[in-house]
Amino acid sequence: NAGVTQTPKFQVLKTGQSMTLQCAQDMNHNSMYWYRQDPGMGLRLIYYSASEGTTDKGEVPNGYNVSRLNKREFSLRLESAAPSQTSVYFCASKLAGDTDTQYFGPGTRLTVL
Amino acid sequence: EDQVTQSPEALRLQEGESSSLNCSYTVSGLRGLFWYRQDPGKGPEFLFTLYSAGEEKEKERLKATLTKKESFLHITAPKPEDSATYLCAVQEAGGGNKLTFGTGTQLKVEL
Repeated sequence: NAGVTQTPKFQVLKTGQSMTLQCAQDMNHNSMYWYRQDPGMGLRLIYYSASEGTTDKGEVPNGYNVSRLNKREFSLRLESAAPSQTSVYFCASKLAGDTDTQYFGPGTRLTVL
Repeated sequence: EDQVTQSPEALRLQEGESSSLNCSYTVSGLRGLFWYRQDPGKGPEFLFTLYSAGEEKEKERLKATLTKKESFLHITAPKPEDSATYLCAVQEAGGGNKLTFGTGTQLKVEL
């Protein structure tokens, strides 16, 4: 099993450009998450999908949209990138239970100029 | 609002020098406390989940403990390969799927 995979690994955008970060998991997990990690701050939840067909806002959703394409895939879209969105983005997934562990992907490092 | 504070921010140890990392938390009711390890340029890697005060879990040189207000990650006789950032996260009872993370402790173990 590959676990949680993310593409791309690195990306540089100009302000105002759009892009989609891709995430896929092969563990048959029900819930999927998008976090961002910035220096000096803990991982912060952007959006999550508790199950296929549902999505909900997390702590910092502004400027982002998500799509739960199917059970395996959960994408994060930046419609008009801003320098404040320069960060490392992590996708995570978990099985289903209330305290099931979240497993993380390797991350996408995004720079917005 | 849930709060998670980790200390120290950074810790430098000599190989074999045991120590502890602290994670203090404030939640209405704790559903679970999670420890992760993160290597530079990588995603967090799961270590432990603790559910109730008094619980302890061990894995190799690491042991995690939990009280009603904090958790400790004890590192016994560390090796250079234990160097990483250690993250703590809490899930509030009734908080759904959300984890609140601390900012981590950056551990460096030197020969």
